Amino acid sequence: NAGVMQNPRHLVRRRGQEARLRCSPMKGHSHVYWYRQLPEEGLKFMVYLQKENIIDESGMPKERFSAEFPKEGPSILRIQQVVRGDSAAYFCASSLSGDLYNEQFFGPGTRLTVL
Amino acid sequence: KQEVTQIPAALSVPEGENLVLNCSFTDSAIYNLQWFRQDPGKGLTSLLLIQSSQREQTSGRLNASLDKSSGRSTLYIAASQPGDSATYLCAVRLRGGSEKLVFGKGTKLTVNP
Repeated sequence: NAGVMQNPRHLVRRRGQEARLRCSPMKGHSHVYWYRQLPEEGLKFMVYLQKENIIDESGMPKERFSAEFPKEGPSILRIQQVVRGDSAAYFCASSLSGDLYNEQFFGPGTRLTVL
Repeated sequence: KQEVTQIPAALSVPEGENLVLNCSFTDSAIYNLQWFRQDPGKGLTSLLLIQSSQREQTSGRLNASLDKSSGRSTLYIAASQPGDSATYLCAVRLRGGSEKLVFGKGTKLTVNP
């Protein structure tokens, strides 16, 4: 059973471009979480999604950031018009269900660098 | 608002030493607490998960304790090895329906041969 997969692993964008980060959860998992790790900071929750639904986006900036988890395919975190402050590692985690007994399993992350 | 603090921020020890990493959290209304390991440029590896009703968990040379009333957890590493060098993250899962984990900034451990 493959773990959580994220791609690309490294992404370089110039200011003003768009960044698309993809996350494929573990097989059978229908719950996805996105976290951001800024340099020298801990991971911060961004958004929690189930298939086709955003459940909690309280940690996601109101502008330029969006997330989706379609019925088919990976979850996508989209950052429009990137700025240097968006440079960070973005981690995706998945769980079997939203039950608090279910552990979140993390992917290797996508490291975004904005030039 | 839940805040998680890890002390020390960095720790350097000689190989073979036993060591303790500390984690504290401000709101005791947690569902569980988890310790992770993060290697440079890599993702997170879950080490131990302690449910709020538990006091400790053990896995090999690792032992994690939880004192929910005082808002503290410790990760004990016995007989440290150079391969233990990594950043150790503590995270709590909140009660009240939120699914998110709240992380500390981590302790960067270096074990010198």
